[in-house]
Amino acid sequence: KAGVTQTPRYLIKTRGQQVTLSCSPISGHRSVSWYQQTPGQGLQFLFEYFSETQRNKGNFPGRFSGRQFSNSRSEMNVSTLELGDSALYLCASSGGARETQYFGPGTRLLVL
Amino acid sequence: TQLLEQSPQFLSIQEGENLTVYCNSSSVFSSLQWYRQEPGEGPVLLVTVVTGGEVKKLKRLTFQFGDARKDSSLHITAAQPGDTGLYLCAPEFQPGGSEKLVFGKGTKLTVNP
Repeated sequence: KAGVTQTPRYLIKTRGQQVTLSCSPISGHRSVSWYQQTPGQGLQFLFEYFSETQRNKGNFPGRFSGRQFSNSRSEMNVSTLELGDSALYLCASSGGARETQYFGPGTRLLVL
Repeated sequence: TQLLEQSPQFLSIQEGENLTVYCNSSSVFSSLQWYRQEPGEGPVLLVTVVTGGEVKKLKRLTFQFGDARKDSSLHITAAQPGDTGLYLCAPEFQPGGSEKLVFGKGTKLTVNP
């Protein structure tokens, strides 16, 4: 079974731009969660999508948004990028009896 | 939001040594999970501990959940370079749960050959 895939793996943007990251979950998984990881703050929960609906959200500003498609693939968007948005963005899909989370390799975003 | 503190933040040891890392909170958890994250990869789930006082072993790794379900520890026996990585603890993921999922900041372990 293929794992969680994220594209692109690396991205460089400048302040003020916007960015869209993509996540393809494990086949059959309907829940997709997004996290931001930085050295200072660690791994922080952004939001969770299930069946195209956001059902949980972390404490991030409205510049961070996401969506999920009917095939469970998910995208997250960050508008008006700030230097502090530089981070590793991780996607996780969950499924099975205990809804175990499986993480993708992440997208490393650098904002200049 | 349930906060988790992990210690130590960094640990560098020689191959063959034993070590213990900790995950503490003032909150009670129904269950806790430990993950390991290697450079350039996402975290991988190692174990879920559910019962207070529970001990789970995964080869050379021993996980313990505190009796009061507020803390957990991970003990590695005879560490190997392949154990190098960031060890994270978190409450068990509850899809759609009302609690915001918060990970500890992790313990970065380096095992030198």
